[in-house]
Amino acid sequence: RKEVEQDPGPFNVPEGATVAFNCTYSNSASQSFFWYRQDCRKEPKLLMSVYSSGNEDGRFTAQLNRASQYISLLIRDSKLSDSATYLCVVTYGGATNKLIFGTGTLLAVQP
Amino acid sequence: ETGVTQTPRHLVMGMTNKKSLKCEQHLGHNAMYWYKQSAKKPLELMFVYSLEERVENNSVPSRFSPECPNSSHLFLHLHTLQPEDSALYLCASSQDLQGFGYTFGSGTRLTVV
Repeated sequence: RKEVEQDPGPFNVPEGATVAFNCTYSNSASQSFFWYRQDCRKEPKLLMSVYSSGNEDGRFTAQLNRASQYISLLIRDSKLSDSATYLCVVTYGGATNKLIFGTGTLLAVQP
Repeated sequence: ETGVTQTPRHLVMGMTNKKSLKCEQHLGHNAMYWYKQSAKKPLELMFVYSLEERVENNSVPSRFSPECPNSSHLFLHLHTLQPEDSALYLCASSQDLQGFGYTFGSGTRLTVV
């Protein structure tokens, strides 16, 4: 089983749509959770951290369910500029709190 | 220059060549990392350095040899690579090994012919 699993997509949605991405992780000891965004042929950039209580940043809402080992990202009112790959990332703590990446979900917002 | 800078941006090399990838961070971070990103695969952590000491080596073939001469610079020396080593190689740095302030460089897109 992969450590972090995501639906690869692509998700093709019209501008203005609401889209949700899901992610599951296998290690119950995971400590921190993030969503990264990666544009085509560019490096990943932190979109937002994910907290147990859920958190929102403008049109983006992230949720964490530790019991189900499940993370979600909701994007409301999609813009063309939201087109990118969204990477689910977890850390396990320990001596090196390394980031474990999912393969990413590709979003294409259509005009 | 700010952030994490990688050179070259693109590299094409033959299987018998020797080349090096360079990473430089201007953030005052103490930890640096090499990742490999192949098509349709998640980012794979290759090496972790903290204060110039290698703290993790994730079963990477010996044809990849990292070097960290100081906390601002990280190199990846490449020797007798295979076509399947073609990928995007990303450098990252963070404030410490707990991952605060994790920042990626733009990457080097490597093609082995």
